[in-house]
Amino acid sequence: DAKTTQPPSMDCAEGRAANLPCNHSTISGNEYVYWYRQIHSQGPQYIIHGLKNNETNEMASLIITEDRKSSTLILPHATLRDTAVYYCIVRAYSGGGADGLTFGKGTHLIIQP
Amino acid sequence: DGGITQSPKYLFRKEGQNVTLSCEQNLNHDAMYWYRQDPGQGLRLIYYSQIVNDFQKGDIAEGYSVSREKKESFPLTVTSAQKNPTAFYLCASSPRGQTEKLFFGSGTQLSVL
Repeated sequence: DAKTTQPPSMDCAEGRAANLPCNHSTISGNEYVYWYRQIHSQGPQYIIHGLKNNETNEMASLIITEDRKSSTLILPHATLRDTAVYYCIVRAYSGGGADGLTFGKGTHLIIQP
Repeated sequence: DGGITQSPKYLFRKEGQNVTLSCEQNLNHDAMYWYRQDPGQGLRLIYYSQIVNDFQKGDIAEGYSVSREKKESFPLTVTSAQKNPTAFYLCASSPRGQTEKLFFGSGTQLSVL
């Protein structure tokens, strides 16, 4: 699996868009970008994933650059409840051979009131 | 409601004692996982199971054991051989065909007395 690089922490004002970057310059053509978040003392929660097209769901948007070497997770209107550690994970589709995901240290996003 | 239940929320272990952490899911997922998280760190994979009666070692299996006798249950035993067991333990499951979309429980905090 390709290595990812994320800033250790970020601040964002409540109500503003939170843009979380992730660098994955060694990503392969068959590897997806996954985002999870972990609120303090809870288990991680899946947010979104994508291959090369931009994706949007009810939680967030995922923007992947054309060369796929980096991506940005966007929380359009951040609230205090979005304070969490956000993990960017790059992983090829396993085809059902489930052997787990690798979670690094992620980015600690702090939403300021 | 469907989900993953971990119990207990907090657990204390005495020196030389084995303890078992419970993980139950009613999501009808085939794959289940155990992760360990130390303060300020990412998640490390202990064991995973793709199907009933089968499981594989993850990155840090030494000092741990698991069983998968039922699809719904994947208990983790922390044995006395695990010399540094204090950590936050997370159980997860994933559906067939979407094995990168993990659903996590709320975790068990294990401490040594």
